[in-house]
Amino acid sequence: DQQVKQNSPSLSVQEGRISILNCDYTNSMFDYFLWYKKYPAEGPTFLISISSIKDKNEDGRFTVFLNKSAKHLSLHIVPSQPGDSAVYFCAASALGDTDKLIFGTGTRLQVFP
Amino acid sequence: DAGITQSPRYKITETGRQVTLMCHQTWSHSYMFWYRQDLGHGLRLIYYSAAADITDKGEVPDGYVVSRSKTENFPLTLESATRSQTSVYFCASRVKTVSGELFFGEGSRLTVL
Repeated sequence: DQQVKQNSPSLSVQEGRISILNCDYTNSMFDYFLWYKKYPAEGPTFLISISSIKDKNEDGRFTVFLNKSAKHLSLHIVPSQPGDSAVYFCAASALGDTDKLIFGTGTRLQVFP
Repeated sequence: DAGITQSPRYKITETGRQVTLMCHQTWSHSYMFWYRQDLGHGLRLIYYSAAADITDKGEVPDGYVVSRSKTENFPLTLESATRSQTSVYFCASRVKTVSGELFFGEGSRLTVL
């Protein structure tokens, strides 16, 4: 049972435009969410996070939005750059079970010139 | 060099053989994790450890054994490898905080023939 879902396996965006990556979750106990970025042949690296007490967190070109009622979060990248081409994973941890970080299936973003 | 290292990076083995994947971190992080990455499944947690001599199961622990006699090492053993264990394995670590930013190794690609 996939508790964290990324329904779009891939996304292609032109350089300079906005990239929107989506993530849905089913566990209402999740209260902390993270996005990781992964290049080929490398381990994932942390990108940005958000606590359930917020609905938005911004870091430079990256903004994460959280809609708790819809159990949905999204990552916006503006403007998109070719170096952003990677696989993006969303992840969540639950209140009372913070040891475990549950990842989604990933979305491959390609930014073309 | 400081960080988290995995070995071997690539391994080919046969069904039924025992395989051990090594993970070493130099940060003295309390927590260490093993994930596997498979197409369509994203990253799934196999086992994790909150400290030396403390380990716990993740989402997909069957067929795997872990130990943590020293804080810096967290080996993962496949006691009798099966083809379904062909995957890319990632080790990760983090400090003892609720907001769990993980630091990942570069991965170990295992093929079971």
